[in-house]
Amino acid sequence: SAVISQKPSRDICQRGTSLTIQCQVDSQVTMMFWYRQQPGQSLTLIATANQGSEATYESGFVIDKFPISRPNLTFSTLTVSNMSPEDSSIYLCSVLARDRRTEAFFGQGTRLTVV
Amino acid sequence: RKEVEQDPGPFNVPEGATVAFNCTYSNSASQSFFWYRQDCRKEPKLLMSVYSSGNEDGRFTAQLNRASQYISLLIRDSKLSDSATYLCVVNRPNFNKFYFGSGTKLNVKP
Repeated sequence: SAVISQKPSRDICQRGTSLTIQCQVDSQVTMMFWYRQQPGQSLTLIATANQGSEATYESGFVIDKFPISRPNLTFSTLTVSNMSPEDSSIYLCSVLARDRRTEAFFGQGTRLTVV
Repeated sequence: RKEVEQDPGPFNVPEGATVAFNCTYSNSASQSFFWYRQDCRKEPKLLMSVYSSGNEDGRFTAQLNRASQYISLLIRDSKLSDSATYLCVVNRPNFNKFYFGSGTKLNVKP
């Protein structure tokens, strides 16, 4: 299994500001993903973080709003830019296990509240 | 149409009851299937994978029906600690994407 450390675990931010969320994995992984889970909803994939190249965004999500970095195989960041209250959500980092690529592991999540 | 659909519940059952959840998926190209468990304010964690032949893990039994494109989870002898939201998840490996259902909430009461 993969152990994922995600920081911060929660934050309260002013609208118009930006927050960067970090995801650190204890082993090298090929696939890293960022999800959003809004209150009472299921997980929605924001983007796939690609090592050494631009992230692949899902429909409805754009790089200007959610810039992602993936400098190596164990680390990624997601920035929520120019925040509004609608961005209040839980943001989750996820990886696929190298030995069992079809199993996904999740970080503890970042609970973001925008006021 | 959503990729994965589940009854949101909640299912309120007494301890010791047997409860079953179903989930349907829309894309026949889906190849891997899972049930994840998510406790309140926690991240999802894998409960079990679902295989074509069906599989059992203690009190939990998962079944897959490819023809009808549905997945089920049966929990026998429910415990208070089973209270959680159960997420049905499908994966299309070629796209390396996981699609999550909205989750079914289970409340096991004493």
